Amino acid sequence: EADIYQTPRYLVIGTGKKITLECSQTMGHDKMYWYQQDPGMELHLIHYSYGVNSTEKGDLSSESTVSRIRTEHFPLTLESARPSHTSQYLCASSEYFGANTEAFFGQGTRLTVV
Amino acid sequence: QQPVQSPQAVILREGEDAVINCSSSKALYSVHWYRQKHGEAPVFLMILLKGGEQKGHDKISASFNEKKQQSSLYLTASQLSYSGTYFCGTEILMDTGRRALTFGSGTRLQVQP
Repeated sequence: EADIYQTPRYLVIGTGKKITLECSQTMGHDKMYWYQQDPGMELHLIHYSYGVNSTEKGDLSSESTVSRIRTEHFPLTLESARPSHTSQYLCASSEYFGANTEAFFGQGTRLTVV
Repeated sequence: QQPVQSPQAVILREGEDAVINCSSSKALYSVHWYRQKHGEAPVFLMILLKGGEQKGHDKISASFNEKKQQSSLYLTASQLSYSGTYFCGTEILMDTGRRALTFGSGTRLQVQP
């Protein structure tokens, strides 16, 4: 069983609010990812990290920001939520490279902005 | 930079076979395959590294042709439990010079009794 956790699982919030989605893993993985997924649709890479203080933007332009101050923690922040941010956000982690770069996914946060 | 998957959807009867294809316009370090059931997180099936290897996992196997930047997932004698959306994940070099895992649009597979 994967040791990667996301909170909250569900969030309904008003437009303009600041929110932080939490993601933590206990596997000591250096690589961590955030993906955005609309129901039944593709996974879009929005942010990734290679380790502490190393973050990059992914393919999909996103108004969110991330930080990586500790190896196990990779929070995603939206400074001002909008209805267009309504989606599911999936966090994942993996080892750095090689045969064991299987990505372990959290259960996701389903965000609704009203 | 996302890989392209085909077909988008497939419906099978139990016991039938299916092939899902994945191709990338970028050089691949590895290819991953995941299955996601409705309302759940994607679950890892297998990883293929450079070297044109083929892997198997029960009645699910995959191949990887790094020269063609393509991979295929083979499901034989499908079972009801195989239903879900299959995603191909490609480990590629991003514009930042770092490797990252990007996913295709998925293939929705439904196995009927």
